[in-house]
Amino acid sequence: LAKTTQPISMDSYEGQEVNITCSHNNIATNDYITWYQQFPSQGPRFIIQGYKTKVTNEVASLFIPADRKSSTLSLPRVSLSDTAVYYCLVGWAGNMLTFGGGTRLMVKP
Amino acid sequence: ETGVTQTPRHLVMGMTNKKSLKCEQHLGHNAMYWYKQSAKKPLELMFVYNFKEQTENNSVPSRFSPECPNSSHLFLHLHTLQPEDSALYLCASSQDLLSGERTDTQYFGPGTRLTVL
Repeated sequence: LAKTTQPISMDSYEGQEVNITCSHNNIATNDYITWYQQFPSQGPRFIIQGYKTKVTNEVASLFIPADRKSSTLSLPRVSLSDTAVYYCLVGWAGNMLTFGGGTRLMVKP
Repeated sequence: ETGVTQTPRHLVMGMTNKKSLKCEQHLGHNAMYWYKQSAKKPLELMFVYNFKEQTENNSVPSRFSPECPNSSHLFLHLHTLQPEDSALYLCASSQDLLSGERTDTQYFGPGTRLTVL
C-alpha cells in the first residue's frame, strides 16, 4: 500500500485559496489519488479523485505532477464551513481503504 | 445525504450489554465496510464485505461480530465491550471490489457515536 504524508494542520482565512499537499513516493502504476473531507462527528465525504495532471470539479481542483509522487488539493476561496479534516488516499478499489491522520484545516474569519 | 444510513446515531451501553449497530445503503452498491474512529485518531478499517462475503477482518476482537445478510444491509453486533471501545463507528459502501473499477469511491454514513460505560 502506498503510504501518504500530509501536514497535520493548516490555518487559513476566509476568501483565501488553500493548497494541501500530499506526498506518496511509492505510488504504484495502478493507483488513483482520492481526497475526502470530514467534519466532526460525521463520516468522510468524497471530494475529488484523479490519476494524473489536473482534475477540477465544482468543489476543488487536484494537481498531480508527472511523476505522481505527490498531489495537491486546491480549495478556492475557502469559507468557515470548509473547516474540516482532509484525507489523501492512494490506491485502487479494494486497497484504497487506509486513512492516515489527515490535515486539519482551520478557516478563520 | 450520502445514501448510507446508520442507526442508532447515539448509543450508550454497559460492558455486559449486547447491542447491534445497523447500516443500510440505498445506492445499489455491493461492497460495505465498518470503520472505527476513536477520538483524535485516524479511521481504522474493521471489516469489509463484498457481495455479502467477508473479505477482510482487520484483527478485530471477537466482541465485535459483523453480519451482512444482503448487499444493502450491514450489522455490527456488540457484546461485552470495554470502555476503550467507545468511538464513532462508521459504515461505508462502494460499488464493488472485484469489478476492476479502479475508482471505487466510498460513501460513508453519519456514524454511530458509541459510549461504553
